[in-house]
Amino acid sequence: NAGVTQTPKFRVLKTGQSMTLLCAQDMNHEYMYWYRQDPGMGLRLIHYSVGEGTTAKGEVPDGYNVSRLKKQNFLLGLESAAPSQTSVYFCASRLLSGREGKPYNEQFFGPGTRLTVL
Amino acid sequence: KNQVEQSPQSLIILEGKNCTLQCNYTVSPFSNLRWYKQDTGRGPVSLTIMTFSENTKSNGRYTATLDADTKQSSLHITASQLSDSASYICVVSPLYNTDKLIFGTGTRLQVFP
Repeated sequence: NAGVTQTPKFRVLKTGQSMTLLCAQDMNHEYMYWYRQDPGMGLRLIHYSVGEGTTAKGEVPDGYNVSRLKKQNFLLGLESAAPSQTSVYFCASRLLSGREGKPYNEQFFGPGTRLTVL
Repeated sequence: KNQVEQSPQSLIILEGKNCTLQCNYTVSPFSNLRWYKQDTGRGPVSLTIMTFSENTKSNGRYTATLDADTKQSSLHITASQLSDSASYICVVSPLYNTDKLIFGTGTRLQVFP
């Protein structure tokens, strides 16, 4: 299993440009998440999905949109990039709680996408 | 004020030595507390997960402890190795919103030979 993969690994955008980050997981996980990690701050949740066709806002959703058309993929879109969106973006996924006999299930993270907006 | 605070911010130790990282949290009530290891340029990887009723959990040379009364957790690393050089992140899962994990800012550990 590849686990959680993210594309691209690096990207440089100009202010106002748009792009889509792709997250894919091959573990048949129901839940998927998008986080951003900035220096001196803990990871912050942008959006998440509890299943195919569903999405929900996290702590810092403004400026981002997401879609979960297939169970294994979770897309993060930036319609008009701003310098404040310069960050490292991580995708994560997990099983539904209670599966595999556990009351909680750990999140598995992808390798990250480093995005710079000039 | 962060709901999950870690100390120290950074730590340098010699290979073979032990060390302990601290985590204080104010999240209440909580479902579980996790420790993650994040290598430079990589995503976090889970080391331990403890529910509020557990007070210790081990994973090889890593041992996490939890005191729910004082809202403190620690991660003890025994006989450190060069590969232990990484950031260690304490994460708390609120009881009523388990999807919205609260992350500490991490402790950056460097192990030198």
